[in-house]
Amino acid sequence: AQSVAQPEDQVNVAEGNPLTVKCTYSVSGNPYLFWYVQYPNRGLQFLLKYITGDNLVKGSYGFEAEFNKSQTSFHLKKPSALVSDSALYFCAVRDFHRDNYGQNFVFGPGTRLSVLP
Amino acid sequence: DGGITQSPKYLFRKEGQNVTLSCEQNLNHDAMYWYRQDPGQGLRLIYYSQIVNDFQKGDIAEGYSVSREKKESFPLTVTSAQKNPTAFYLCASSIFQPITMNTEAFFGQGTRLTVV
Repeated sequence: AQSVAQPEDQVNVAEGNPLTVKCTYSVSGNPYLFWYVQYPNRGLQFLLKYITGDNLVKGSYGFEAEFNKSQTSFHLKKPSALVSDSALYFCAVRDFHRDNYGQNFVFGPGTRLSVLP
Repeated sequence: DGGITQSPKYLFRKEGQNVTLSCEQNLNHDAMYWYRQDPGQGLRLIYYSQIVNDFQKGDIAEGYSVSREKKESFPLTVTSAQKNPTAFYLCASSIFQPITMNTEAFFGQGTRLTVV
């Protein structure tokens, strides 16, 4: 089965500094990777997804993600953090379920980002 | 205005009761999903459906049931057999592409269920 790991429960960064939220993956075949953000008591919002061949993917709200095949990583980045970026971030991968007919999304445990003013 | 609507936002259940959470989408998506979110555990898949009248169990289906009678609707029933139902429940939908799987999921705003 496909899986993703987010090694940091919490990331703290000062406003205006660059931020990185880490994600590593374990897949058989092509990786279909996604990043989502969740604000308190809300659903998940899609930020960006990996497109085969693009090692740097640009997404919503100034976020981007760097894909590294040799390190099996898909880290989320932003050049200059805002206080409003404080939220819970999830990395996800598409998974074949059981008989290859079913597809679903497998999520990492989440990383809480705090941007300090 | 396209999207996914979950209702109610908050739900309280007494011990031994069944409750049904609503999920409706107008995105014309074939695939729909139910996830449970507990603090510190991320999202866990309960059930998913690729097409109408078909659904598959996820990783934590025990104590839950679903139906998919219409493309736009995927209600989740939390039965009395679910021993610890207090959680945040999220419904999602996506385009179903069996060959290329790079279509993202769209989420509703969630239902917070509390057992009283």
